[in-house]
Amino acid sequence: GAVVSQHPSWVICKSGTSVKIECRSLDFQATTMFWYRQFPKQSLMLMATSNEGSKATYEQGVEKDKFLINHASLTLSTLTVTSAHPEDSSFYICSARDDTIKTYEQYFGPGTRLTVT
Amino acid sequence: LAKTTQPISMDSYEGQEVNITCSHNNIATNDYITWYQQFPSQGPRFIIQGYKTKVTNEVASLFIPADRKSSTLSLPRVSLSDTAVYYCLVGDGWGNAGNMLTFGGGTRLMVKP
Repeated sequence: GAVVSQHPSWVICKSGTSVKIECRSLDFQATTMFWYRQFPKQSLMLMATSNEGSKATYEQGVEKDKFLINHASLTLSTLTVTSAHPEDSSFYICSARDDTIKTYEQYFGPGTRLTVT
Repeated sequence: LAKTTQPISMDSYEGQEVNITCSHNNIATNDYITWYQQFPSQGPRFIIQGYKTKVTNEVASLFIPADRKSSTLSLPRVSLSDTAVYYCLVGDGWGNAGNMLTFGGGTRLMVKP
């Protein structure tokens, strides 16, 4: 089946620094990738949608200058949390979808646990 | 948006059949119903998807009545490893703002020995 990986699986950073999270589709072309954030005991919340080669579309309330998304190729999207603060500590999950095939399935990565101290 | 409503939590015992119902009164004609499973600190995993009547795969069945305003995920003979949160999503999944991207609260299933 389709596999999506994320790197790193967990990261601890100091307040004010930036952190980059990678999301890769390993065996299919990810024409669209999605980034979610999940706080403890809560559901997933969509942050943004990115299409290969174009700017990401952010959900309402998500700061695009703080959460930089780059979908440079059909297999890689990155999320950079800039000037991270403790309130950005969360579980970040990406998913990917191949829009060239007519299914509605998105494949999720394993997630990245970010802790900002 | 086709909002979904699920029970917050359910308890079951090993070997029992578990049925989790999701209400989606505003489902649109083009909408599909998809269920995901999520373990702690992991990404969601696709379980099953359907449009109408019944769909069955190796892990679950999905029952959808004729009016499609609800759906029921059926897990046969659950085991301890089925303890997880189950999400029901509804939408056509197309476009950046597709409803299929909106996760509801999910149902926390606890399977006891």
